[in-house]
Amino acid sequence: GAVVSQHPSWVICKSGTSVKIECRSLDFQATTMFWYRQFPKQSLMLMATSNEGSKATYEQGVEKDKFLINHASLTLSTLTVTSAHPEDSSFYICSATDHRAPPVAFFGQGTRLTVV
Amino acid sequence: GIQVEQSPPDLILQEGANSTLRCNFSDSVNNLQWFHQNPWGQLINLFYIPSGTKQNGRLSATTVATERYSLLYISSSQTTDSGVYFCAGIGAQKLVFGQGTRLTINP
Repeated sequence: GAVVSQHPSWVICKSGTSVKIECRSLDFQATTMFWYRQFPKQSLMLMATSNEGSKATYEQGVEKDKFLINHASLTLSTLTVTSAHPEDSSFYICSATDHRAPPVAFFGQGTRLTVV
Repeated sequence: GIQVEQSPPDLILQEGANSTLRCNFSDSVNNLQWFHQNPWGQLINLFYIPSGTKQNGRLSATTVATERYSLLYISSSQTTDSGVYFCAGIGAQKLVFGQGTRLTINP
């Protein structure tokens, strides 16, 4: 199957700083990428849909000024958590869809963010 | 909007038993995928199954699109099958997850 690489796997940052998470599709072009957030023992909550070359579409309740998403190329999307606070600590995971056929979604390995 | 519901939320079985996990989804879902999330958080693709039946070893899945449900079967469960299983529905350019089924296989 297709490979999606997410980096970093884990990060610890101080409150008030910003953190950037990268999501790359390694062997296919992804016009659409999804970003999710997962709290312990809960499901994955869709944060936003990232389309190459256009603004991301955020889900209701997700602050677009806090979670900046950039999809500058067909193989790279980034999520920047700005002015991070302890309540932003979570597991963030990205997905990219290989549209060649069939439209299967593949996931990165996730990033565990801890804000101290 | 897209709605995906899974049952049961928790399932505890003995090794060797068979498991059936269910996923109900709304009309706006066009395609369906099943995943297994390992202890490190990685989501492993199990099936892409908008309709019909597929099998992969001890795992199989059936989606009845007209009745808006999908089933994941695990036969002869092993302790390594333990973990959380998610179904996710694709529709309106979104991929939405169900709440998951936490499967525990005891030796």
